[in-house]
Amino acid sequence: GQNIDQPTEMTATEGAIVQINCTYQTSGFNGLFWYQQHAGEAPTFLSYNVLDGLEEKGRFSSFLSRSKGYSYLLLKELQMKDSASYLCAVRDSNYQLIWGAGTKLIIKP
Amino acid sequence: IAGITQAPTSQILAAGRRMTLRCTQDMRHNAMYWYRQDLGLGLRLIHYSNTAGTTGKGEVPDGYSVSRANTDDFPLTLASAVPSQTSVYFCASSEEAASTDTQYFGPGTRLTVL
Repeated sequence: GQNIDQPTEMTATEGAIVQINCTYQTSGFNGLFWYQQHAGEAPTFLSYNVLDGLEEKGRFSSFLSRSKGYSYLLLKELQMKDSASYLCAVRDSNYQLIWGAGTKLIIKP
Repeated sequence: IAGITQAPTSQILAAGRRMTLRCTQDMRHNAMYWYRQDLGLGLRLIHYSNTAGTTGKGEVPDGYSVSRANTDDFPLTLASAVPSQTSVYFCASSEEAASTDTQYFGPGTRLTVL
């Protein structure tokens, strides 16, 4: 079957760095997405990786290793507004998105 | 309208009743999707439409139906609601289906079936 694994919850301190991991097993691979979802709101797009390596976008970076079925989202200089759930999703061979359950990130002052 | 709108925002429904969740986008996206989100689970695809006039089944289609009469609208119907359909429902769209396009989400409908 298809499976996306990510930690259920993480806690970090304001101003620090946090890495959220995602491992996947899917039928085919056509890219990996990270979305941010604040409580009670819709998911919003953060990043997309289709080739191995690091994609940097401001305070957020995302890394992909296709051979290991692994990705991480790196958040730097954490701010209180970064408290949210972070969703990892993989586009499979049918171009459907398979979603992880999300990682709830709690930022403490 | 800017982006995707969904209606209603929330609804409490008696079991056995019929309910249609509405979704409209103004981005002229070809592909549209319906997901449900339950606590502890990832978003699960209910139905999708790659272009107006076509629809397909996702991971959890039972008990739901959709139609895509035009590019902008993609309603989701629960013919006879059951308590297990209590969930948050998100509509999403992307420019094309078979591409690397990002999916954009509507604000969601919180449905409770009693």
